[in-house]
Amino acid sequence: QVYLVQSGPEVKKPGASVKVSCKASGYTFTNFGLNWVRQAPGQGLEWMGWISAYNGYTSTNYAQKVRDRVTMTTDTSTRTAYMELRSLRSDDTAMYYCARSCSSTTYCSGDFWGQGSLVIVSS
Amino acid sequence: QSVLTQPPSVSGAPGQRVTISCTGSSSNIGAGYDVHWYQQFPGTAPKLLIYGNINRPSGVPDRFSGSKSGTSASLAITGLQAEDEADYYCQSYDGSLSGSYVFGTGTKVTVL
Repeated sequence: QVYLVQSGPEVKKPGASVKVSCKASGYTFTNFGLNWVRQAPGQGLEWMGWISAYNGYTSTNYAQKVRDRVTMTTDTSTRTAYMELRSLRSDDTAMYYCARSCSSTTYCSGDFWGQGSLVIVSS
Repeated sequence: QSVLTQPPSVSGAPGQRVTISCTGSSSNIGAGYDVHWYQQFPGTAPKLLIYGNINRPSGVPDRFSGSKSGTSASLAITGLQAEDEADYYCQSYDGSLSGSYVFGTGTKVTVL
């Protein structure tokens, strides 16, 4: 069974950075990309980016809105993906989800999702 | 700001059929990119409901169906049940935004 287990809630001050982790199990980690999606309180879903570590090569694609502030990485030895967001602002307050790229179609955000990591940005 | 537009809400009585539209443009749905649908209950992660426009993952009831035509897509729920009350999001890919996944604005389904 596929599981994605994310790190716990974070409270950060404006201007700080946060790093959220997503530990995968139940499938071959390097065969699937991972998407990061966030959801502000009471709002819709927003795609942040995608990372893949297929065949030893790391590829990323970031949403234009956060491109200059986000870095996504993976540690294949621990089957863990990370999403770091810098220069945090109050409107970065959201639930952050990791999701495994769908297995049977293209450009699909996720067939399995983590439980979410709440990030609160407040002075 | 989402580039896929959905109605904010739809409602129906138990047993009825409801549809949710997802309107895009020539750079996303109209360019031939697939549409996927997610169901989300309050306080939980989204769940994949339909992938590749029309396909249901294992375990998703067949009362959920998807379609796509031109620059739009639709999700239909037939035989509406109380447990279907949730938020629904469409998702596709947009080739004009430096290659970006895009979500719909979301639709709240209420079972009367």
